[in-house]
Amino acid sequence: QVQVHESGPGLVRPSETLSLTCSVSGGAISGSTYYWGWIRQPPGKGLEWIGAVYYSGTTVYNPSLESRVIISVDTSKNQFSLKIKSLTAADTAVYYCAREPVNWGPGTLVTVSS
Amino acid sequence: ENVLTQSPGILSLSPGERATLSCRASQSVRLNYLAWLQQRPGQAPRLLISGASNRATGIPDRFSGSGSGTDFTLTISRLEPEDFAVYYCQQYGNFPFTFGPGTKVEIK
Repeated sequence: QVQVHESGPGLVRPSETLSLTCSVSGGAISGSTYYWGWIRQPPGKGLEWIGAVYYSGTTVYNPSLESRVIISVDTSKNQFSLKIKSLTAADTAVYYCAREPVNWGPGTLVTVSS
Repeated sequence: ENVLTQSPGILSLSPGERATLSCRASQSVRLNYLAWLQQRPGQAPRLLISGASNRATGIPDRFSGSGSGTDFTLTISRLEPEDFAVYYCQQYGNFPFTFGPGTKVEIK
C-alpha cells in the first residue's frame, strides 16, 4: 500500500520561501501513472489544489498560485517537493501531499508569522 | 477551470438514515474522473469513491457513487456514527484539478 508523508518547517516568516517534501513508501514514483500533488487547507476552510508533478517531471499548477509555486520530483529518493515564495499570512494552512486522488498524507500545519 | 458546486452545504440527519449528497460541475468531467473524499475533524481527507462510482479499498458498501458528465451523487445508505463528517468532491479529469466546497453531514 502506497503511503505518503509530508515534512518541513511548521513556522515560516512573511516574504520568505516555504519548502516542503513528500516522501513516498510502498511504491515507486518512477513509472507511476498517477500525478503526485500538493493540496492545502486554511484553518476552518475547504481544500485548495496547488499543483502536481508526473514522474517524468511534467508539472501543472493552479493558475491562482502558479507565479509563486515550484513543484519538483526526485525519483532517486522517491520524493517530490513544493516551494512557495513570497509568503503571506494567507498561506497559513495544513499542507497535504497525495498520490491523487487515492493516497493522502497526514498533513503538516504551516504557519506564516513573524 | 471546472468549478464544482456541492449541495446541500449542511445535511442534518440521524444515525440509520440515508444521506444523498450532490456535486455539480460547470463543465463535463473528462472520463468521469470524479472522486468523493471524507474528512473527519482533525484528520486528512480519505478517498471513498473514484471514477464516479468505484469504491476505494476498505470502504464499506453503504457508500455508493453515481452520475456522469456534470452531475454526480454520493449516497450513504444508512448513516453510522463515524460517517458524520465533511464530504468533498474532486474532479481530476482536467487541469487544474478542483474541489467542491464540501457538504457537512451533522447529527440531527
